[in-house]
Parts: sequence; C-alpha cells; structure tokens
Amino acid sequence: GAGVSQSPSNKVTEKGKDVELRCDPISGHTALYWYRQSLGQGLEFLIYFQGNSAPDKSGLPSDRFSAERTGGSVSTLTIQRTQQEDSAVYLCASSPTSSYYNEQFFGPGTRLTVL
Amino acid sequence: DQQVKQNSPSLSVQEGRISILNCDYTNSMFDYFLWYKKYPAEGPTFLISISSIKDKNEDGRFTVFLNKSAKHLSLHIVPSQPGDSAVYFCAASLDNYGQNFVFGPGTRLSVLP
Repeated sequence: GAGVSQSPSNKVTEKGKDVELRCDPISGHTALYWYRQSLGQGLEFLIYFQGNSAPDKSGLPSDRFSAERTGGSVSTLTIQRTQQEDSAVYLCASSPTSSYYNEQFFGPGTRLTVL
Repeated sequence: DQQVKQNSPSLSVQEGRISILNCDYTNSMFDYFLWYKKYPAEGPTFLISISSIKDKNEDGRFTVFLNKSAKHLSLHIVPSQPGDSAVYFCAASLDNYGQNFVFGPGTRLSVLP
C-alpha cells in the first residue's frame, strides 16, 4: 500500500528488555515523526526527522529512547531497558517536503506492552 | 499541564443530529489548529484545519470554528452519521511550519442509529 506502515503491530516484552519499533513512511515524504499515546492521553510528540537535518529529539522522555532514520526513509525507534510506564501505542507519521503546515499521515501504530 | 484540552472524554449523539466537539488551549502563540479522526486499530487521519487568521472553515459536513480571544475551537458535524463514530483529536501548532504539534487527549464520539 501507499500509506505509512509500522511493525510489529503488537509487542509484548518483559521489563528490562530492549525493543525496536519500525516505521516505513510514505515514499517521498521527507518529514517523519514519532508519537506515543498512553491510555487516556493525547498523542505525545517524541522525535522529528526532516531530510538530512539533525533530528528534533526534544520530546524523547529519557535517554533510554533513541531513534534513527536510515537513508532518509525507514526509521527505527529503540527503547532500552523497557519499563512498565513505556507501555503505550507508538505512532509514526510522515509528511511531504517541508512547506507551510503539512498534513501528517499516520501509520496504524505499534502497541507495546511491558510486563 | 496540558496545553491542549478536550474536556469531554466522550459524547453520544443521535444520527442526523449535530455533533459538537470542543477543544481549549492555553498557549496564545498557537496559530494553526487541526482535527484528526481515529478509528480503533488505525492511525489518526487528518480531518480539517484552521489558521488563526480565520474564525471558520467548512468542508462538507465538517465545520471548525475558532475563537482566539477565548482560546477555544470546536468541530461541528452536521448531520452526524454512524460512520463518524471515532475518537477525535484536536491539535495545535507551535511554530511557523506546523512541524511541532501538541495534541489533546481526544473525545470519543458515538453516533447512535
């Protein structure tokens, strides 16, 4: 399909383990975002990539969280030493080349459960 | 402290009637606002937006109203349809290029047949 895809759709892990979440943005979109949505909360911004510029990491909640984007396309969000409070739905979104107020296209999300 | 608030976690409306979803914000620097709709197990999809230079934007059955002095916006759906049942998120933009959005917690709309 032509939309944003994320994998896995569900991930259950044990406290203390590392997890990797993957996002495939829409082809040609230069901007990529990661959000998370905890139960009863809105979407919390985590990190933003725009082309080859340094990412905006201002939303990452701790140094256990990191993300990279290879070749300006696929992105991986890594959470090290997972904690129970990391349980949430992690959403990826992409948007076209930076221009005034672009709509973001969201993937279906990865539901992470930390036991 | 939440900068974007949606004080009604849920709303039920009869099919054919008007649905009004409300959103309040605290930061007067926000200058662009969007509504997203989210079905279960899917990512949010863009619905409608409004710039601070306008007080109303209409797209089919959906109209967004902005009251800057009250820091309040609302989404009206007329007439409501069962397929409109979803969670609606209000989002506000902090910077000129709209790349840094703050989302509200969402309101779950149920349209009853």
